[in-house]
Amino acid sequence: GQQVMQIPQYQHVQEGEDFTTYCNSSTTLSNIQWYKQRPGGHPVFLIQLVKSGEVKKQKRLTFQFGEAKKNSSLHITATQTTDVGTYFCAGPGEYGNKLVFGAGTILRVKS
Amino acid sequence: GAGVSQSPSNKVTEKGKDVELRCDPISGHTALYWYRQRLGQGLEFLIYFQGNSAPDKSGLPSDRFSAERTGESVSTLTIQRTQQEDSAVYLCASSLAGSILYEQYFGPGTRLTVT
Repeated sequence: GQQVMQIPQYQHVQEGEDFTTYCNSSTTLSNIQWYKQRPGGHPVFLIQLVKSGEVKKQKRLTFQFGEAKKNSSLHITATQTTDVGTYFCAGPGEYGNKLVFGAGTILRVKS
Repeated sequence: GAGVSQSPSNKVTEKGKDVELRCDPISGHTALYWYRQRLGQGLEFLIYFQGNSAPDKSGLPSDRFSAERTGESVSTLTIQRTQQEDSAVYLCASSLAGSILYEQYFGPGTRLTVT
């Protein structure tokens, strides 16, 4: 079935460094969503991208959807300790009837 | 307003026992999802309900797992004859409708430990 592959699996950065996680698909995605899960918490919706080449920003977070709508990225500028957690992308499943979540990228920030 | 609630928050059970997990979605949300998350892992889809349509059970790992939903409200996930590999956090999510364009709102989860 449809899968969204997410890399890296894990990243440990120094506070103030930038961080990027990537989500890739072998097929065109109609949309992609991003979620954040804090340690011990549950996933919380961050944003949805729908248009080819779309770029959206939320403070230090920048989300991009590729021109071919097969990949997406989340970039965090100048990470803070509050950014720690797991970031998941989610795209349509094989039959388009439900979202399929990537494996997630675990971000740890060292202060 | 009220979010998605799940109960119990924690459940410890002995191997071989049955357990029932409950999810109360946000009022008015027609779509409801169950996921399993093992420690340090991603979200494993289990089952999806959308309105009165037949549920998508494609993610249920074995016939020991079943779920029901009453109309567009409460859902219960039942695991029969629990095994140690069933130990995980079970997350429920709801969305306004079944379209993949709607964001999912997750509950706090039920942490299941099978001893």
